[in-house]
Order: sequence, then C-alpha cells, then structure tokens
Amino acid sequence: SQELEQSPQSLIVQEGKNLTINCTSSKTLYGLYWYKQKYGEGLIFLMMLQKGGEEKSHEKITAKLDEKKQQSSLHITASQPSHAGIYLCGADNSGGSNYKLTFGKGTLLTVNP
Amino acid sequence: KAGVTQTPRYLIKTRGQQVTLSCSPISGHRSVSWYQQTPGQGLQFLFEYFSETQRNKGNFPGRFSGRQFSNSRSEMNVSTLELGDSALYLCASSLVTSPSEQYFGPGTRLTVT
Repeated sequence: SQELEQSPQSLIVQEGKNLTINCTSSKTLYGLYWYKQKYGEGLIFLMMLQKGGEEKSHEKITAKLDEKKQQSSLHITASQPSHAGIYLCGADNSGGSNYKLTFGKGTLLTVNP
Repeated sequence: KAGVTQTPRYLIKTRGQQVTLSCSPISGHRSVSWYQQTPGQGLQFLFEYFSETQRNKGNFPGRFSGRQFSNSRSEMNVSTLELGDSALYLCASSLVTSPSEQYFGPGTRLTVT
C-alpha cells in the first residue's frame, strides 16, 4: 500500500491566490522533505522538517509538520507563475540514518496569469 | 559550490544492452543515493552508497547495480535492458550527519527501444 499520500494530485490556481498541498504518512515521519520538480528535470530542494510542530518558511512558501509527525502541509501565499511545477514530498520513515526517502506521487501545480 | 552533476543527460539504448550512468556529488557529500522515476511508479529508491559501500538497497532486480569510488563519485549500471527500464534516473547526495538534506542532480533520461 502507498505509504505516502499527497493531495491534491493536481491544482490549478489563478495568480495571486493561496494554495495548500498535503502529505500524509502511514508511518511516523523522522524527516519530511519538500521538493519542486519541473517536468523531466531534477528535484529542487525546498525544505526539510524534522520535529513535531515544526514550521519553516522561505519566501512565499511555508511548510509545517504536525505534532504527531504523520502529516505535513506546504502552503504558497500569493502564487506566481514561477511557482508552477510538480511538488513532491519525501519521507524518511526509518529513523534518519539511511538516506532512503519514500516519495509521494506528487502534486502538479498550474498557476494561470 | 557546484551542485550534483549527472552524465549523460540523455541516453537511448536497445533492449538487451547495458548502460552505465555517472553521478558526481556536491563537494564534501559522501552519501549518494539513486532513484528511478517513471510516470506509473513515481520516484523509487534504488540504492545508497557511503564510503564505497552499499548501505541500502531498494526493491529492484539484480540487473541494477552500482558502485562508489573513493572520491564519492558514483556509477550505476543496468544490464540486459528492458523496455520498462525507460525512466529518469536521479541521483542525490547528502552529508553523512543525520538528518541531512538530500540534493538531487538533473537526472539522466534513459530510453530503451
């Protein structure tokens, strides 16, 4: 069964709108990583969350990890066309020592100008 | 600091052939992980190397192998290529301290005909 669920699968928003992407794990998250990918290209590291309740922000993107460490959200404020791409969450479910991440299927974000 | 580099970027091979892909990690990073990305299965972990030793392996057949050199550069090899091996192969590097951010390269697009 899928260990990491991302929702929604795709999202179309108007420029300037806020949006949220969710990532839910069936196991405890020892580390949760958010990446952005342009189609067919490599992954761009956005943020890493480790502690329950942790929240990090970079420019207009905020990521949170819930207290139980099984769910994370990525929030984009005032979206821009440059935010378009595939957002992937990756989970370390094994204690942070073996660098093997399990990824969700991704969320395809389209931002219309 | 230069990012993760992968060569070649694109490759076309015929069924039954073998292929070798190369990955140079970020300077100072000693852990290298390999992932396969396909539209159907998403991103899947292949294996991870540290200090020239394979520490973790995903659920892939023995046709997929890898190695790491003393300078942390890594190669992966796929023998007896099958059509289903067509994918984007990504490598990621990280420091060995835990937890550690994983940075991805641009990927090698392999097409098997």
